[in-house]
Amino acid sequence: DTEVTQTPKHLVMGMTNKKSLKCEQHMGHRAMYWYKQKAKKPPELMFVYSYEKLSINESVPSRFSPECPNSSLLNLHLHALQPEDSALYLCASSQGRTPGTDTQYFGPGTRLTVL
Amino acid sequence: AQKVTQAQTEISVVEKEDVTLDCVYETRDTTYYLFWYKQPPSGELVFLIRRNSFDEQNEISGRYSWNFQKSTSSFNFTITASQVVDSAVYFCALSEAGDYKLSFGAGTTVTVRA
Repeated sequence: DTEVTQTPKHLVMGMTNKKSLKCEQHMGHRAMYWYKQKAKKPPELMFVYSYEKLSINESVPSRFSPECPNSSLLNLHLHALQPEDSALYLCASSQGRTPGTDTQYFGPGTRLTVL
Repeated sequence: AQKVTQAQTEISVVEKEDVTLDCVYETRDTTYYLFWYKQPPSGELVFLIRRNSFDEQNEISGRYSWNFQKSTSSFNFTITASQVVDSAVYFCALSEAGDYKLSFGAGTTVTVRA
């Protein structure tokens, strides 16, 4: 089973709202990722968690706040977003034993619209 | 820094035609991994194949085949006898051992017309 689940599938929020995106995997993977994808562009890495610790933050604005409560869950907390943050947010996971050597499996994404 | 180039932005074919997607990569590492992903209109990135830099064997999986050539730094993907369900954006990607980052090419949009 190579399933990564994400909720919600769609999210519309105002610039003053606080919302959270959730990601879950039960493959025993120890690395989890958040990507942002704008239309007609490849995914852009935002954060990487390895063994529940933040390993990479690609200079993401602080209005995006990641959280990894346990090895199966990854959250992305959103606050005071801008309309340009509207995008598809993809979660991925990989075995994580040796960085860069294993396959990242992606979830279906959350399509976020900021009004 | 690693880099992946997919020169073809869009390809349109009629069903049952073969289509080849080009991927050229740059890396200074001797140990690296190449991937192809499919992204249908629904948005999910579907993993298709992974190849490491020490394995140049070509691979076939059903109607899909991959040609890895280190001499030309290319990892091309062919869909044989294309079907409408193959319509999607296809991304080639590269990772280097020791680095979590996955570098994606710009993607190639494949449209298969009935």
